[in-house]
Amino acid sequence: AQSVTQLGSHVSVSEGALVLLRCNYSSSVPPYLFWYVQYPNQGLQLLLKYTSAATLVKGINGFEAEFKKSETSFHLTKPSAHMSDAAEYFCAVSRLRGATNKLIFGTGTLLAVQP
Amino acid sequence: EAGVTQFPSHSVIEKGQTVTLRCDPISGHDNLYWYRRVMGKEIKFLLHFVKESKQDESGMPNNRFLAERTGGTYSTLKVQPAELEDSGVYFCASSPILPREEQFFGPGTRLTVL
Repeated sequence: AQSVTQLGSHVSVSEGALVLLRCNYSSSVPPYLFWYVQYPNQGLQLLLKYTSAATLVKGINGFEAEFKKSETSFHLTKPSAHMSDAAEYFCAVSRLRGATNKLIFGTGTLLAVQP
Repeated sequence: EAGVTQFPSHSVIEKGQTVTLRCDPISGHDNLYWYRRVMGKEIKFLLHFVKESKQDESGMPNNRFLAERTGGTYSTLKVQPAELEDSGVYFCASSPILPREEQFFGPGTRLTVL
């Protein structure tokens, strides 16, 4: 079975500060990991994905995440927060083996950026 | 290229009524998924179509929910009769047959059952 835990349902940072959103996963098979972002009144947009290539994954808008198998983590970071980063962020896991690759999501982290 | 579209964007109905949600995937995407987010909870998988076939419907809550994808293009999700606990945001996503790992999401339909 697969599962995802996102620590912190709400995170607040100051503009220009480091953004760190935590994600831990559980998977009995090699996972595929994703971060999605949902801006207000919009759909989910893929930020980045890990599919067993490089463990440090760079995404859009300056975000990156590092796959750490020993820690079963896939934390999302950005060196300097912008006001436009205020959104809800979702970590998800899936696998491509078998007939379906449904995404298993965490509960989401709402990021607030203070001026 | 148009993205995944969903209709309606919002729906408010009374308990016991019927509602049909529609999803138009990206053209040429054989995989189509439905997910739901109940307020305060995680986004949960409902079902997966490959073309017109249901590949996995393990997430469907009960038999009040019926999903179809006639002709392998757009999909509908019907809730009949709707209950209060069906309220939430219903997302549709699609992906090409290969590679399958990235799913493209629509904006969602917010369903409120009163």
